[in-house]
Amino acid sequence: AQSVTQLGSHVSVSEGALVLLRCNYSSSVPPYLFWYVQYPNQGLQLLLKYTTGATLVKGINGFEAEFKKSETSFHLTKPSAHRSDAAEYFCAVSEPGNQFYFGTGTSLTVIP
Amino acid sequence: DSGVTQTPKHLITATGQRVTLRCSPRSGDLSVYWYQQSLDQGLQFLIQYYNGEERAKGNILERFSAQQFPDLHSELNLSSLELGDSALYFCASSVDPKAADTQYFGPGTRLTVL
Repeated sequence: AQSVTQLGSHVSVSEGALVLLRCNYSSSVPPYLFWYVQYPNQGLQLLLKYTTGATLVKGINGFEAEFKKSETSFHLTKPSAHRSDAAEYFCAVSEPGNQFYFGTGTSLTVIP
Repeated sequence: DSGVTQTPKHLITATGQRVTLRCSPRSGDLSVYWYQQSLDQGLQFLIQYYNGEERAKGNILERFSAQQFPDLHSELNLSSLELGDSALYFCASSVDPKAADTQYFGPGTRLTVL
């Protein structure tokens, strides 16, 4: 079975600073990888996903993530944080059997 | 707005009771997923349906059941409710049931069991 680990349940960055949210997964087969964002009192919204092809994936709102098979990682980055980025971020993995696994989430705080 | 609708938005009930949560997928989406989000368990995949048929099962309790109707809306039935069932229940939909397909999430139903 898959597992998804998000290091750091809470991350604080200053406005304009680099955002780095970590995600590691365990998988015996090539996975599909996703990052979702959840704003307060809302459902989850897809930021980006990796299925096949280029390992550097660009998403919405300036976010990107890189699939590193050797490190079994899919870390999310954004060069410059904005106050509107404050939200809960979830990394997710799915496998061909259609089981979906989400990480426990990372709450991002942006300090003005 | 994702196009996925869920009703009701809030539900308060007592232990031992039964409730039904409803989800309407985006227009054109054939696949529906149910998730439970709680503080201690995080976001847990419960079950997936595709065009009326169960496609994948996750951590769904035997007290819980779901179905997808011919008009593609789905219902999640929770019975013999316990305090620990209090959570946010999300429905998501996608065009296809493929694991790589993007899921679009509804706003959720917040269930409180007293």
